[in-house]
Amino acid sequence: GAGVSQTPSNKVTEKGKYVELRCDPISGHTALYWYRQSLGQGPEFLIYFQGTGAADDSGLPNDRFFAVRPEGSVSTLKIQRTERGDSAVYLCASSLSGGGPMNTEAFFGQGTRLTVV
Amino acid sequence: QKEVEQNSGPLSVPEGAIASLNCTYSDRGSQSFFWYRQYSGKSPELIMFIYSNGDKEDGRFTAQLNKASQYVSLLIRDSQPSDSATYLCALRGYGQNFVFGPGTRLSVLP
Repeated sequence: GAGVSQTPSNKVTEKGKYVELRCDPISGHTALYWYRQSLGQGPEFLIYFQGTGAADDSGLPNDRFFAVRPEGSVSTLKIQRTERGDSAVYLCASSLSGGGPMNTEAFFGQGTRLTVV
Repeated sequence: QKEVEQNSGPLSVPEGAIASLNCTYSDRGSQSFFWYRQYSGKSPELIMFIYSNGDKEDGRFTAQLNKASQYVSLLIRDSQPSDSATYLCALRGYGQNFVFGPGTRLSVLP
């Protein structure tokens, strides 16, 4: 696609429910990142994929959060037993590569606004 | 743990003035540094990146990097009301994720 696509754009769910957030990166981008952003704060790192594997998942807050990227393209962020504190904008970004002396920029999707009620 | 610090602002400057945005970081292993602009309710978009000490200019924007002092800045010349946004500083080590600061809110007053 032309840009990073995230679906849904908005999601309202009840406390305790399970949600899946989808990210479709720019075609050919091997690196994919998930961030979460609360109002007035910078993006908080969650997980980074290089291809199909999670290169760094140190930002996942607890075991209720899980992400996959089975074919090295689309990624799904899964949140179990949602809590009100999970409410935030979940941002996905992709970049051409995961490293190199001239690190390439990350292109962001428009985000999914998750509201847990 | 990489930490990136920025003044949250708001930083207010009059139209036509120079806006100076600053960022400090703790991880000396960081290799690349990025400035993103984020309008309210929108996703971040890249303004500039820099990876060598010194200045890098692009139009009205100049990024400055001093690795010895662990300091990176963004100067916006001839500030316009359309520059009003939150500016996010981000850094990255080799093959690693991007780490973002909390952002500085800039307000350019007409």
